[in-house]
Amino acid sequence: NTKITQSPRYLILGRANKSLECEQHLGHNAMYWYKQSAEKPPELMFLYNLKQLIRNETVPSRFIPECPDSSKLLLHISAVDPEDSAVYFCASSPGTGWNERLFFGHGTKLSVL
Amino acid sequence: QQQVRQSPQSLTVWEGETAILNCSYEDSTFNYFPWYQQFPGEGPALLISIRSVSDKKEDGRFTIFFNKREKKLSLHITDSQPGDSATYFCAASNNNNAPRFGAGTKLSVKP
Repeated sequence: NTKITQSPRYLILGRANKSLECEQHLGHNAMYWYKQSAEKPPELMFLYNLKQLIRNETVPSRFIPECPDSSKLLLHISAVDPEDSAVYFCASSPGTGWNERLFFGHGTKLSVL
Repeated sequence: QQQVRQSPQSLTVWEGETAILNCSYEDSTFNYFPWYQQFPGEGPALLISIRSVSDKKEDGRFTIFFNKREKKLSLHITDSQPGDSATYFCAASNNNNAPRFGAGTKLSVKP
């Protein structure tokens, strides 16, 4: 799936700050960040609809989302914790009717030393 | 609180057999049920979905059977192929909440 691109693909961190990036080329209005830990299902972290944060699940404050425009999504991480090791997926959907298909990117695999 | 449950956790079938993956849910307001297929190293991708007004949805070798009264659904994969080996997530949503994913079923199809 090259219509949702994420960077970087792999990230190895100590207690550093880093940002994950996502861009979608589908013209969708909604973008999401999901966290998938090993052998677990994806869990919703944040949702943006037309650049507005409309749903913020309970995640640690060291994760800060940003949506500079409707096609881009960032996830800023500060002082990562070992429990943050996971794959972070960006996803998008045409709108936020909830009952819509989600399109996922390939993910960024974060490994915390 | 696990709102969407899947079974079995893992399943192995021979090529050509029918694989049956089960899903159940608790919230009676859920009305949209997508199944996502995920290969290692990739993001989930929508395979097939059903809305609660239907009791069956078919797409090639993939069929969803839905029982609203019992809050259960199942994904049947007929003539299973080695390329179907993946993890399958059942998800559920309603008009007010984002999709909730089940824990997934890891399917292996042996040639």
